[in-house]
Amino acid sequence: DAGVTQSPTHLIKTRGQQVTLRCSPKSGHDTVSWYQQALGQGPQFIFQYYEEEERQRGNFPDRFSGHQFPNYSSELNVNALLLGDSALYLCASSPTGTGDEKLFFGSGTQLSVL
Amino acid sequence: DAKTTQPNSMESNEEEPVHLPCNHSTISGTDYIHWYRQLPSQGPEYVIHGLTSNVNNRMASLAIAEDRKSSTLILHRATLRDAAVYYCILRVLNTGFQKLVFGTGTRLLVSP
Repeated sequence: DAGVTQSPTHLIKTRGQQVTLRCSPKSGHDTVSWYQQALGQGPQFIFQYYEEEERQRGNFPDRFSGHQFPNYSSELNVNALLLGDSALYLCASSPTGTGDEKLFFGSGTQLSVL
Repeated sequence: DAKTTQPNSMESNEEEPVHLPCNHSTISGTDYIHWYRQLPSQGPEYVIHGLTSNVNNRMASLAIAEDRKSSTLILHRATLRDAAVYYCILRVLNTGFQKLVFGTGTRLLVSP
């Protein structure tokens, strides 16, 4: 079992550009969540996808958007990049059930905006 | 969102027990207490969770106060590989789709 895989591992962009990050969930998981982790901080929830729809969203602007595919993989898109978007972006997957399921995280994509 | 309070950092020696405290005085009756840890250059990793009773697994033990306003993660014998940031999180339940609300966690330093 490969667990949660994210690509790329590192990315450098300049202000104003757009970026797409990718995530493949753990086998058997159908729910994907995205988190942003700034240096020295805990991860912050961006949004969650289930059945190809955004189900819940954190306090992030519309520049942050996502997509989930029929195979449960997911993409995070960020438009009009700002310096403050530099962070580690984490993908987490879980099975949908009673609500007590633990999340499995990938190792993240380190985004640097110059 | 219900919040948790943890010390910024703690130190331990290898092979000694470690008790990581967490306060969550605003916890609601249906909130589960989850612990995750994050090793350097990795994503968070699930450690343990509980509702009311103390819990044990191969990684750690979770002791929950009777009033549920605090809990303690117990590592029975710390190893160098346990050096990480430990997050105490109240699992917010909302129509079956949950999110984790992380604080800044406790950085555990383990000395040989």
